[in-house]
Amino acid sequence: GAVVSQHPSWVICKSGTSVKIECRSLDFQATTMFWYRQFPKQSLMLMATSNEGSKATYEQGVEKDKFLINHASLTLSTLTVTSAHPEDSSFYICSARDGLVSYEQYFGPGTRLTVT
Amino acid sequence: GDSVTQMEGPVTLSEEAFLTINCTYTATGYPSLFWYVQYPGEGLQLLLKATKADDKGSNKGFEATYRKETTSFHLEKGSVQVSDSAVYFCALSDLEGAQKLVFGQGTRLTINP
Repeated sequence: GAVVSQHPSWVICKSGTSVKIECRSLDFQATTMFWYRQFPKQSLMLMATSNEGSKATYEQGVEKDKFLINHASLTLSTLTVTSAHPEDSSFYICSARDGLVSYEQYFGPGTRLTVT
Repeated sequence: GDSVTQMEGPVTLSEEAFLTINCTYTATGYPSLFWYVQYPGEGLQLLLKATKADDKGSNKGFEATYRKETTSFHLEKGSVQVSDSAVYFCALSDLEGAQKLVFGQGTRLTINP
């Protein structure tokens, strides 16, 4: 149980375009979802926290107009990278938590974004 | 702010060797501590956790003890296997509020047969 999927697993896009990444909790209701960014050989950096039905809370230094997060249902959150640039190339990872049951976060496998 | 520091990798060991991956933390309050493992092509999985000082988390032969006096949570295993090859992340979380995870930089472990 407690499976989180991400789609796509990898994507290549041109500079200036927008890319949407989906994060789904497959067998539980995710009251809270988190989005992380991971640079090569570095740690996961939390970008934002989203609760179903409310606006995401962004970490300091993360541009909310560039990284649009929507958590419209208890099983789906999306991250849209708008007007992508090469410096946005990274590994994006989501996690989900059923806060009513436990504080444990379940992680998706990640999405590799390459902006050319 | 809160932070986690792990020993730098990569770490390469032979099968059946003893493993230690060091982890120290800086935090206000009394965080919970975690070790996550990321196998190739998979998402992070919780390996073990400890929620208060002197607690020992254990799973799959791995152990880590929450040492408040040294602010450490070192990961150990007595005899590693090839299947333990993965990236290991130490993390902390304050159980209050948003309960966000703060990760160390990860340590890549390779076990040779």
